Amino acid sequence: DAGVIQSPRHEVTEMGQEVTLRCKPISGHDYLFWYRQTMMRGLELLIYFNNNVPIDDSGMPEDRFSAKMPNASFSTLKIQPSEPRDSAVYFCASSRTGSVWNQPQHFGDGTRLSIL
Amino acid sequence: RKEVEQDPGPFNVPEGATVAFNCTYSNSASQSFFWYRQDCRKEPKLLMSVYSSGNEDGRFTAQLNRASQYISLLIRDSKLSDSATYLCVVNHNNAGNMLTFGGGTRLMVKP
Repeated sequence: DAGVIQSPRHEVTEMGQEVTLRCKPISGHDYLFWYRQTMMRGLELLIYFNNNVPIDDSGMPEDRFSAKMPNASFSTLKIQPSEPRDSAVYFCASSRTGSVWNQPQHFGDGTRLSIL
Repeated sequence: RKEVEQDPGPFNVPEGATVAFNCTYSNSASQSFFWYRQDCRKEPKLLMSVYSSGNEDGRFTAQLNRASQYISLLIRDSKLSDSATYLCVVNHNNAGNMLTFGGGTRLMVKP
């Protein structure tokens, strides 16, 4: 079975440029999460969707960050304009609704973003 | 206080040793618990869920202590390939599938 697919795997761009990260969740999963990971701050939840609807975006650092999920099989995380402090690994994860317990999340390979 | 706290380590152990990690969580209403493993420059991967009665998967044993709000992971007969960061994960709340990740405990198994 295909896992969570993210693209690109690596992105290097100059400060001020727009960056778009993409994610395809596992088919049948109704939750999608965007995380950012750095050495200093660990794994931080940025935003998550349920059935394509954003539920909690309190982790989005500032207005330069935006995320969309136009359909069940695709989501984007956009940074505009990008800044060097945005350099991190960005992970997308998906999970499905469980009957009683929360279900584990399955992560994509991540996008390693470097802003120069 | 962090919602999920772990000793960052590193834990340096010889091959064949038994090693245990603990993790504490702050939300007494949490119902779901997991251990994830993350290799260097890779994504976190589910290692095992943690059940109330404790559970075992090969060399790995997970325990949950609700009264003290901690979770443990025991690795027996450690292998070089067990070297990784182990993330303790707790459901953030019972609405939705949000999970809160600990900062991870780094394990290095040496020959």
